[in-house]
Amino acid sequence: GAVVSQHPSRVICKSGTSVKIECRSLDFQATTMFWYRQFPKQSLMLMATSNEGSKATYEQGVEKDKFLINHASLTLSTLTVTSAHPEDSSFYICSATKGFPGELFFGEGSRLTVL
Amino acid sequence: GENVEQHPSTLSVQEGDSAVIKCTYSDSASNYFPWYKQELGKRPQLIIDIRSNVGEKKDQRIAVTLNKTAKHFSLHITETQPEDSAVYFCAASLGSQGNLIFGKGTKLSVKP
Repeated sequence: GAVVSQHPSRVICKSGTSVKIECRSLDFQATTMFWYRQFPKQSLMLMATSNEGSKATYEQGVEKDKFLINHASLTLSTLTVTSAHPEDSSFYICSATKGFPGELFFGEGSRLTVL
Repeated sequence: GENVEQHPSTLSVQEGDSAVIKCTYSDSASNYFPWYKQELGKRPQLIIDIRSNVGEKKDQRIAVTLNKTAKHFSLHITETQPEDSAVYFCAASLGSQGNLIFGKGTKLSVKP
C-alpha cells in the first residue's frame, strides 16, 4: 500500500499564532493532495486541493489567506493556519492519491486546539 | 457542485445481522464512489470502492451497489461483527481532479 504521514498529530497554540501542519507521501509521489477539516461527530469537509508546483484550489467559503497551502514537492504539502482563533480548533486531515480516480490515502490527522 | 446525501445517520444492528447504508449524489458526471470506515480519532480507511462502469462489487462480507440512473449507491455489510462498529462515509468524485465530496457519515453500532 501507500503511506501518508501527517505531522504533528496534536498541537496546542495560543490565539493569534500560526501553526504549520505537514503532509508527506512516504513511498509514492503525489502530484495532488487534499486537505480536509473534520469537526467532532461530523463529516470530512474538503478545504482545498493542493497541486505540486501551482497554487492550491480552495473550496467555497475557505479563506485562502487564513489557510495557506504549499505543495513544494511531490511528497510534501503543508497547511499553515495563520492567526489562529479558537474557532479554528478542529481535526485536519490530508490525503493523497497515486493516480486518479483511485484510492485516496489519508494521513493520521492533526488535532489543533487554539486557546 | 456535487452534493452527497447519506442515510441513516445512525444504525444499530445485532451481531450477525446485515447493515445497509445508502447514499445519493447529484452530479451525473461523478464516476468514482468509495466507502470509508473511520474509527474514533483515526484516519479514514478505504473499505471498498466502485466505478461508474460497474453495477456491483463484493469483497467478502462487504458489497457496494451502484445505480447510475437513480444516482444512488449503497454499502451492504453482512454477518456484522462488533468490530464493524465505526463511522462509515460514502463519497463521490467528479472529474479528473479527484476531489472527493463526502456524505455526512453513518455511525454503525453492532451489539454483541
